[in-house]
Amino acid sequence: NAGVMQNPRHLVRRRGQEARLRCSPMKGHSHVYWYRQLPEEGLKFMVYLQKENIIDESGMPKERFSAEFPKEGPSILRIQQVVRGDSAAYFCASSPVVAENTEAFFGQGTRLTVV
Amino acid sequence: GDSVTQMEGPVTLSEEAFLTINCTYTATGYPSLFWYVQYPGEGLQLLLKATKADDKGSNKGFEATYRKETTSFHLEKGSVQVSDSAVYFCALRRASGGSYIPTFGRGTSLIVHP
Repeated sequence: NAGVMQNPRHLVRRRGQEARLRCSPMKGHSHVYWYRQLPEEGLKFMVYLQKENIIDESGMPKERFSAEFPKEGPSILRIQQVVRGDSAAYFCASSPVVAENTEAFFGQGTRLTVV
Repeated sequence: GDSVTQMEGPVTLSEEAFLTINCTYTATGYPSLFWYVQYPGEGLQLLLKATKADDKGSNKGFEATYRKETTSFHLEKGSVQVSDSAVYFCALRRASGGSYIPTFGRGTSLIVHP
């Protein structure tokens, strides 16, 4: 059973380009969470999705950022017109059920560098 | 809202020293508590967890006890190794409006010297 798969591991974009980050949850997991990690700031929640639904996007910037989790295929975090401040590590986590006593399983992250 | 506060790092220790990383939380109700570890260039891995008051989570020589009276979940290890050098995250998870979004502290970097 493969773990949470994120790709690419490293992504370089020029200012103004679009960044697409992909996350395939563990098999049987239908709950996906995206986090952003900045140096010295820890993990910041961005968005929580279930298949075809955004459940909570309270941590995601209102402009330029969007996320989806289609019926088929991976979850996508899209950042349009990237700026230097978007440079960070983006992590995806998945859970099999909605329960407080279950852990979230993390991918290895995508490290975005905006030049 | 929910929050997790960890001691600032880096924590620098010599091999075989005793480790404590403090973690306190703010949340209503009865959250579950977790410690995750992140090695350089990797994602987070669950280290241990506790789901109710007075529970003790343990794994790989690390321990943490869920103290509801002090809202704490401090991580301890009796004798650290160089291979324990990593960033440690304390986290909580509880029901909130039907979602169970994990909330993380800022992480504490541990550096162990030979």
